[in-house]
Amino acid sequence: QQQVKQSPQSLIVQKGGIPIINCAYENTAFDYFPWYQQFPGKGPALLIAIRPDVSEKKEGRFTISFNKSAKQFSLHIMDSQPGDSATYFCAASIRGGAQKLVFGQGTRLTINP
Amino acid sequence: EAQVTQNPRYLITVTGKKLTVTCSQNMNHEYMSWYRQDPGLGLRQIYYSMNVEVTDKGDVPEGYKVSRKEKRNFPLILESPSPNQTSLYFCASSSLTGGRQETQYFGPGTRLLVL
Repeated sequence: QQQVKQSPQSLIVQKGGIPIINCAYENTAFDYFPWYQQFPGKGPALLIAIRPDVSEKKEGRFTISFNKSAKQFSLHIMDSQPGDSATYFCAASIRGGAQKLVFGQGTRLTINP
Repeated sequence: EAQVTQNPRYLITVTGKKLTVTCSQNMNHEYMSWYRQDPGLGLRQIYYSMNVEVTDKGDVPEGYKVSRKEKRNFPLILESPSPNQTSLYFCASSSLTGGRQETQYFGPGTRLLVL
């Protein structure tokens, strides 16, 4: 069963737009929610992460919004650039839970110039 | 440079021919893991290891073996590969210092085609 559901599968946005990628989880024991960014031919790399004690975290142009009651979290990219074109994965894990990351299905983001 | 390396990067093989994909990290990380990435399914964990000689199954372990004889190495073994194991494989490592969830560092991937 897919414990973390991610949408949309693909997304095309014009430069300067604000793409939003959404994830929903089922296991209320999850307490760490990272986003990974993957460029073609490369392995995923940590972009930003949040813990459920805050509702929002911002790092540069990237923001995670977290809604604990709805069991949802999302990634927003402000002032998107063509260099942001990549596949984005949300994930969830349980602190102390053998570091097991459960990934969403991935979103292929394209930023058009 | 801190990194996770995998070899080979690309591999074409035939059904039933045993193969090993190597993974090595130079960050002295305790935790290592193997994932497979398939379109529409994201990354799914195959096996993981908390330390030397400590390994456990992930979500999709069937058809795979691992070993952790040294801290830096975590090879993935396919004893009898089948076409449904055609996939993109990633090795990852992270520190378990203080029991905190740490960033997982991924290797560059190994693209495997089983004919």
